[in-house]
Amino acid sequence: ETGVTQSPTHLIKTRGQQVTLRCSSQSGHNTVSWYQQALGQGPQFIFQYYREEENGRGNFPPRFSGLQFPNYSSELNVNALELDDSALYLCASSTEYGGWTGEGNEQFFGPGTRLTVL
Amino acid sequence: GENVEQHPSTLSVQEGDSAVIKCTYSDSASNYFPWYKQELGKRPQLIIDIRSNVGEKKDQRIAVTLNKTAKHFSLHITETQPEDSAVYFCAGKVSNFNKFYFGSGTKLNVKP
Repeated sequence: ETGVTQSPTHLIKTRGQQVTLRCSSQSGHNTVSWYQQALGQGPQFIFQYYREEENGRGNFPPRFSGLQFPNYSSELNVNALELDDSALYLCASSTEYGGWTGEGNEQFFGPGTRLTVL
Repeated sequence: GENVEQHPSTLSVQEGDSAVIKCTYSDSASNYFPWYKQELGKRPQLIIDIRSNVGEKKDQRIAVTLNKTAKHFSLHITETQPEDSAVYFCAGKVSNFNKFYFGSGTKLNVKP
């Protein structure tokens, strides 16, 4: 198992509410990426944080936002929840992103937070 | 943007046989290709990866090959075992863009 942890494990919300999900990265990792995984599909990239700055974003609306803290832990916030937001939310941590070399660095996933929107 | 397609969506093999899962990508600037195994209700786990400066990489029963010209890469599992049963995802990362694009997954069933 990786050292990446997420909380909570499960969450039930209603439409229109707001939610905050948390991720603690593996020791030594300074980059956190967030993914949405709908049932039966592959993870979809939401965004990535590197040294407390957003560093890449997928095709998700602005109501998906995030933070990274000095200890490299991270939060994913989703406002105005919709039914389609129901999914497994995964975070993945890695060491410093490849920068100019473009080389990818291994990402290690947390166990995920299962969000259900009613 | 990058698009990663994965085939087949389901694969059933007999224990001891080999399994091959194929992925294609669209952006020739992609340079890093990890493979993940996800068991039911668990997190995706990195099982092997390959970078664009390498054509093949092997780790015991698992190997990955990359054909940059054709823009496809494949996962090969030899001597399959029932515990190999899971969903496998391929992914690609475009150079200088911090996004990973995942395939839609292959459900592998290894029959004892």
